[in-house]
Amino acid sequence: KNQVEQSPQSLIILEGKNCTLQCNYTVSPFSNLRWYKQDTGRGPVSLTIMTFSENTKSNGRYTATLDADTKQSSLHITASQLSDSASYICVVTTSDNYGQNFVFGPGTRLSVLP
Amino acid sequence: EAQVTQNPRYLITVTGKKLTVTCSQNMNHEYMSWYRQDPGLGLRQIYYSMNVEVTDKGDVPEGYKVSRKEKRNFPLILESPSPNQTSLYFCASSLTGRLVWGPNTGELFFGEGSRLTVL
Repeated sequence: KNQVEQSPQSLIILEGKNCTLQCNYTVSPFSNLRWYKQDTGRGPVSLTIMTFSENTKSNGRYTATLDADTKQSSLHITASQLSDSASYICVVTTSDNYGQNFVFGPGTRLSVLP
Repeated sequence: EAQVTQNPRYLITVTGKKLTVTCSQNMNHEYMSWYRQDPGLGLRQIYYSMNVEVTDKGDVPEGYKVSRKEKRNFPLILESPSPNQTSLYFCASSLTGRLVWGPNTGELFFGEGSRLTVL
């Protein structure tokens, strides 16, 4: 069964500190992996996309990595800000007989404290 | 502005009173889907649509109906709401549901959410 797991479930850090969120997936076939940021009570927004051939990609203070061999991805946040407080969701795009399908992780809840 | 619009954003209703949550996107996307999000659980797919007149069940379709008569609209219908359908609902769209390999595929654009309470 296709599955995406994320750790930790929740994380509290102080403003200015760095953190790393983890995503492990057992999804086949693999098309790409996206990290979404979801502010409380709002819809998720895509942060970055990782394809099979990419190892690292940065988007400002966010850096995502992908190890296709171990089926792991991470999202590293540098110099955290209060506005980084949100849930971060890992979503893997796969396919079935009908076309694309999306497998969601449960998310990591990040709280950045002043 | 490219967006997915849901209405209503907040709704309190009673058991058994039929309701519809509307979803509209202005990006000419083929793929649309509905999710519910409950505390401690991730986003769970209710129904999805690959294109006009094509809909299919997701992981938690019981108690819900959908229709896709136009490309831009994908309403979610609760024929007889029950308290266990109290949840935060999200509509999302994507350029295509067809299998297209590449770095720019599969981005989901979400609406702002509809918080539903069934008493």
